Amino acid sequence: GAVVSQHPSWVICKSGTSVKIECRSLDFQATTMFWYRQFPKQSLMLMATSNEGSKATYEQGVEKDKFLINHASLTLSTLTVTSAHPEDSSFYICSVRRRGYEQYFGPGTRLTVT
Amino acid sequence: LAKTTQPISMDSYEGQEVNITCSHNNIATNDYITWYQQFPSQGPRFIIQGYKTKVTNEVASLFIPADRKSSTLSLPRVSLSDTAVYYCLVGDVSGSARQLTFGSGTQLTVLP
Repeated sequence: GAVVSQHPSWVICKSGTSVKIECRSLDFQATTMFWYRQFPKQSLMLMATSNEGSKATYEQGVEKDKFLINHASLTLSTLTVTSAHPEDSSFYICSVRRRGYEQYFGPGTRLTVT
Repeated sequence: LAKTTQPISMDSYEGQEVNITCSHNNIATNDYITWYQQFPSQGPRFIIQGYKTKVTNEVASLFIPADRKSSTLSLPRVSLSDTAVYYCLVGDVSGSARQLTFGSGTQLTVLP
């Protein structure tokens, strides 16, 4: 069964609005979750590492004020795209990793900004 | 993090065995090799993981030579549904906080 869930699976929003994407670890408590972004025909790019109870760590070039990450509990991390623009349209994927095991990925969220 | 190099694309026919090779020259001692499969508009799905020699599960085999500078994913008797992008990743699985870095992946197209 699924180890990681994401909600919503797809979302369409207007330019300038904010969108929240949820990532849940279903099988185990995850102190760390990862957020990736994937543009069409491209590979996954790590955006940030979400740490439970502390601030997220963002990769170089990712605007932390635009992509707000909140790791509120050991099973939930949220990514909020603030003031979304068409160039933010992408496929957002979260993942969790359990020590000694492989990394589990969520099903992804398709964001389209019009 | 060890960088990986894979062929950009491969074509095969149904029923054939497909071997995808990945190069990872600067793999570290604690690094494992993991392969993922991704279909369009879906998250990557774990296929197989190994450290050395050969690993086999119900869907694939992974061959790793002694120097570990490369690895080969073997898919037996592929079908049309195996058309996907395959990613080879190298990283240390011992720590939960270590993320995996994706390379460009290999687009496998299975033809009828």
